[in-house]
Amino acid sequence: KNQVEQSPQSLIILEGKNCTLQCNYTVSPFSNLRWYKQDTGRGPVSLTIMTFSENTKSNGRYTATLDADTKQSSLHITASQLSDSASYICVVSPNTGTASKLTFGTGTRLQVTL
Amino acid sequence: DTEVTQTPKHLVMGMTNKKSLKCEQHMGHRAMYWYKQKAKKPPELMFVYSYEKLSINESVPSRFSPECPNSSLLNLHLHALQPEDSALYLCASSQAGMNTEAFFGQGTRLTVV
Repeated sequence: KNQVEQSPQSLIILEGKNCTLQCNYTVSPFSNLRWYKQDTGRGPVSLTIMTFSENTKSNGRYTATLDADTKQSSLHITASQLSDSASYICVVSPNTGTASKLTFGTGTRLQVTL
Repeated sequence: DTEVTQTPKHLVMGMTNKKSLKCEQHMGHRAMYWYKQKAKKPPELMFVYSYEKLSINESVPSRFSPECPNSSLLNLHLHALQPEDSALYLCASSQAGMNTEAFFGQGTRLTVV
């Protein structure tokens, strides 16, 4: 069964600090990996999308890395802000079909405090 | 316009009611999706439409009936739901094909009483 596991489950950090979220996946064959931010009760918003040939991708204060050999990805958030408080979801797409059948991780709930 | 618009935002319905959720996008995307998300859980795929045809049905009960009237619209018809069907229902769209970004709507918060 294709799986996506994320760690930690939850994280509390002080405003201004950096943090790194982890994602391990077993989806195969692999097409791409995405990181989404989801505020409570809202739809997920895409942060980055990487194919197997990409090692890193940045979007402002968010930087995602991908190691397709070890099937690991990380999302690094720099200079955290209160508005970063949300769930961060790692999503992997298999290399099949014309419409993406995405496999979602269980997410990391990040809380940024003063 | 990079929006996926879902209506209504909130819906409360009885177990004998019939209601519909609506989703609209004008990005020219030919793949559209319905997901169900329970609290503190990841979204679960329900249906995928590709070029207005149903391509994936994840063994969803028949009380959920999807419809794709055209390339911009996706509906989810609800009938005889159970309280356990209460959840956030998310619509998404993407270009058909691999490595394409999926855009999600803000969801419909459904409560079945």
